Amino acid sequence: SQQGEEDPQALSIQEGENATMNCSYKTSINNLQWYRQNSGRGLVHLILIRSNEREKHSGRLRVTLDTSKKSSSLLITASRAADTASYFCATDGGSYIPTFGRGTSLIVHP
Amino acid sequence: EAQVTQNPRYLITVTGKKLTVTCSQNMNHEYMSWYRQDPGLGLRQIYYSMNVEVTDKGDVPEGYKVSRKEKRNFPLILESPSPNQTSLYFCASSLGGSTEAFFGQGTRLTVV
Repeated sequence: SQQGEEDPQALSIQEGENATMNCSYKTSINNLQWYRQNSGRGLVHLILIRSNEREKHSGRLRVTLDTSKKSSSLLITASRAADTASYFCATDGGSYIPTFGRGTSLIVHP
Repeated sequence: EAQVTQNPRYLITVTGKKLTVTCSQNMNHEYMSWYRQDPGLGLRQIYYSMNVEVTDKGDVPEGYKVSRKEKRNFPLILESPSPNQTSLYFCASSLGGSTEAFFGQGTRLTVV
């Protein structure tokens, strides 16, 4: 079963705006990861946050994790047209193999 | 260059004709897995392997087989493909549990 569920399913913004995507999951995790997928291509790892961390930054990306609410958010600041992609959260669950949600489709208009 | 290589990238086949999608990684990773991606359903795990000769079912294993005879290779086998297996397939590998996964470029399979 899919552990993580992203919200919203689709997001459309203008270049320069911030984009926020949320992920909710069902069971305890060791870590949560965010991935990006350009249309039809393989997924690319963006950031990993461990269960004992609350916030993590990488360039224009900011990830938060609230284990009490079983939720995470990915913020992309000052978005660019090149950020247009689908974004997935992945949790490790019991098998230690990432389990993905359905993704958020982000469109950034120039 | 560190990579996961899938072949073929595109495949059109007929119902019932056995096929194999190969996956190879050059990073000496222990963990490998297969996913299928369908519109509106995201990525669903088919099978995974935590080491040589160790494989386990994911969420949607029906109609698929895998083997892990060597660390670097993890082929996906469809013994008798059916149209509902038309999908985009991804292989991934990772160093260990709960670490970054590296993905292949995908195999787009159409079964007619």
